[in-house]
Formats: sequence, C-alpha cells, structure tokens
Amino acid sequence: EAGVAQSPRYKIIEKRQSVAFWCNPISGHATLYWYQQILGQGPKLLIQFQNNGVVDDSQLPKDRFSAERLKGVDSTLKIQPAKLEDSAVYLCASSPTGLTGPGYGYTFGSGTRLTVV
Amino acid sequence: TQLLEQSPQFLSIQEGENLTVYCNSSSVFSSLQWYRQEPGEGPVLLVTVVTGGEVKKLKRLTFQFGDARKDSSLHITAAQPGDTGLYLCAGRTNTGKLIFGQGTTLQVKP
Repeated sequence: EAGVAQSPRYKIIEKRQSVAFWCNPISGHATLYWYQQILGQGPKLLIQFQNNGVVDDSQLPKDRFSAERLKGVDSTLKIQPAKLEDSAVYLCASSPTGLTGPGYGYTFGSGTRLTVV
Repeated sequence: TQLLEQSPQFLSIQEGENLTVYCNSSSVFSSLQWYRQEPGEGPVLLVTVVTGGEVKKLKRLTFQFGDARKDSSLHITAAQPGDTGLYLCAGRTNTGKLIFGQGTTLQVKP
C-alpha cells in the first residue's frame, strides 16, 4: 500500500513569511497526527485529528499555527507568521485505529524540513 | 502532562557490543511503541507492546514492556553498523495520543 505522502520535502522562508505543508495519509486511516521534530530530538505532537475533527491541539501555538483536515482525508498545516524557532522537520502520521485501545499501524511520512532565516 | 524519559540520549559503541535503551514514565500507557529513524526520513515502527510484562523479539532486538505498563526497554545483541540511527519510544494514551520520548542516538562503529 502507498505510504503517507508529504510535500514539500524542503522549504526555506524568511521570518514573518507564511508557509503551508500538505499531508495525504494512507487510505482509510481515521487518525492523523502532525508532529514537530527538532534535529536529534523526539517528535512533539502538535495536533491530532480523528476523521475531520480535532481530538487534541493543546500543544499547537494557535497564534501562528493552524491545521485542517477537510473531508477527513488530506490535511494541511500552516504557519503564519513564521519565526526562527519554527525551523524543524514537520512530520505527518496516520493510523487506522480509533481513540481507544492499544493502537496499531502507525505510519509516518518522510517529513518537511523547514528552515526559517 | 504525560512524559516519557529515554536514556541514554547518546550511545557510541563498537560493533559486536550489546546495549540497552530505557524508556520510563510515571504514567500508564495502553501500548508502547519503538521506532527507528534515519536521517531525512520519518520514524519507522519496529514493534508495539501491549501487555504488562510482554517481551517481543525482532532478530537481535528484544523489547520488553514493564509489568505496570509505565516503562519499556530495548536491548540489542551484537550491534552492527547498520543499527546506527535514532531510536524512539512512544506511548499511546487512553485518548489515542502518541507521545514520544527524547530519543536515543546510537552510533555503532565498525
């Protein structure tokens, strides 16, 4: 089966500009996650969707970050305006499982590397 | 806030040595997952442990889930240069959230 697709792979922008990332999860996967990963560290959860509804966005900096998952399939993550500290890899992951139980089938995309200069 | 503490953060060993990576929390998780990540790629799932005390083996890798489902360990026997990478543990909460530890960077020298 096809994996989680993310684009673009790389993006360089100046601070205060805006940027958007796109994610296409594995077909049929109900749960979608966006993570921010600083080089050499573990991913930090930004937002979790179940179908097209937000389950958890407690760590999303809502003054500058926004995300949506229209029709419960593709998702976009936007940053506006970007800051230097937003430089990181943004990972998208999907899973076929619901909110309860042990979970399985987590698959990550290759990520988008963002550099803010 | 649920946290996962991974140790050690960095490990540099010679080929053929054994190693253990630990993942600890004060919280109970419905499952614990281990991932390996290579530069420029997303994490790749190695194993999911669900039951307290569960042990799973994947070739030279042995994974164990603590009896109380709060901690886990990854043991690699006779490490090889191909094992080099970032190892991540992740706990799944009862709301389906997947929380990661800080990661362990492993370098295996030939």
